[in-house]
Amino acid sequence: AQSVAQPEDQVNVAEGNPLTVKCTYSVSGNPYLFWYVQYPNRGLQFLLKYLTGDNLVKGSYGFEAEFNKSQTSFHLKKPSALVSDSALYFCAVRDDRGNSGYALNFGKGTSLLVTP
Amino acid sequence: KAGVTQTPRYLIKTRGQQVTLSCSPISGHRSVSWYQQTPGQGLQFLFEYFSETQRNKGNFPGRFSGRQFSNSRSEMNVSTLELGDSALYLCASSTGQGASYNEQFFGPGTRLTVL
Repeated sequence: AQSVAQPEDQVNVAEGNPLTVKCTYSVSGNPYLFWYVQYPNRGLQFLLKYLTGDNLVKGSYGFEAEFNKSQTSFHLKKPSALVSDSALYFCAVRDDRGNSGYALNFGKGTSLLVTP
Repeated sequence: KAGVTQTPRYLIKTRGQQVTLSCSPISGHRSVSWYQQTPGQGLQFLFEYFSETQRNKGNFPGRFSGRQFSNSRSEMNVSTLELGDSALYLCASSTGQGASYNEQFFGPGTRLTVL
């Protein structure tokens, strides 16, 4: 099955500094990869996706992600962190099932804390 | 355009009871997927409905079931509740086909507590 791993439970960064949230994947075939963010007591909000094409994907709220095939990674990045970026971040991979459907397989999540 | 709505937002039940959760997708979307989120297991796929048919399902016991109506609204039911069913249940709405199927929009979730 397609899977992703987020090696860090928590990432701490000072406001204004660049941030990176790590994700590695294990798939057969070409991966379809996603990042979602979850704020307290809220559902998941879509940030960005990689399907094919450019390895650098730009998404919502100034986030971007770099797809690296040789390292099987899809790290989420932002040049300058904001306190409001503090949230739980999930990496996910599309897992094709039968009948033209699919499931998203999520990583365990990384809690990002941005301090003033 | 209205987002994905889930009702109720919070629910408290006791062991052995059953519960029904509801999800109204974005207008025009025909696919609804359900996920369970717990601190221990993280986010796990329950099942997906597309055009009133269950298209695929995850590895959950038969106590977990669902359905989808002709207006694409979906319900999931959990029978004979167990303490371990306490979780945030999220539904995701999508077109269900084509390139836009790669974008899933999540609702705020229903927080189920089983006592």
